[in-house]
Amino acid sequence: GAGVSQSPRYKVAKRGQDVALRCDPISGHVSLFWYQQALGQGPEFLTYFQNEAQLDKSGLPSDRFFAERPEGSVSTLKIQRTQQEDSAVYLCASSRVGETQYFGPGTRLLVL
Amino acid sequence: GNSVTQMEGPVTLSEEAFLTINCTYTATGYPSLFWYVQYPGEGLQLLLKATKADDKGSNKGFEATYRKETTSFHLEKGSVQVSDSAVYFCALTQYGNKLVFGAGTILRVKS
Repeated sequence: GAGVSQSPRYKVAKRGQDVALRCDPISGHVSLFWYQQALGQGPEFLTYFQNEAQLDKSGLPSDRFFAERPEGSVSTLKIQRTQQEDSAVYLCASSRVGETQYFGPGTRLLVL
Repeated sequence: GNSVTQMEGPVTLSEEAFLTINCTYTATGYPSLFWYVQYPGEGLQLLLKATKADDKGSNKGFEATYRKETTSFHLEKGSVQVSDSAVYFCALTQYGNKLVFGAGTILRVKS
């Protein structure tokens, strides 16, 4: 079946621009996670949804980062006023509750 | 808080050599443990997992055993292939919540 999909795959933004990253989870997966992976590092947790409820946003690095999942399916991660330190790969993962997480291909964000 | 430490790379091996990538963790309670792999140009894929002490996860010739007494989950393979060249991540989760990853270990296998 279809896996987790993310778009765009690559995004170049000028410093100060807003960006929106989309995640389509596996059908039927209630849980959805966002991670940030800096170059040469392991992914780091950003935020977690169960259906449309954002249950944990403790990993969001600043109030410029905002995530939503209004209908409990597709999720969008928005970064306002992008900074160079936001350059990273943003990974989305989905799962059934309490089960293995499956990852999308990621969106590589470069802020110039 | 929870954390994962894995051996630094890159690890460079000849084809058919034995592989070990060390992973240790710090966690309260009884986490589930995972190895994920990232092949060049691809996304993270689950390689294997273990959910309780003494469980052995295995897949594609790779194995790892959940050792509570040493808080370890070392990845092993008896005979590596060039196609195993990738970045390997050890990770843990508690209660099916967020994954905590190690920094990753680059494996390079030469023919």
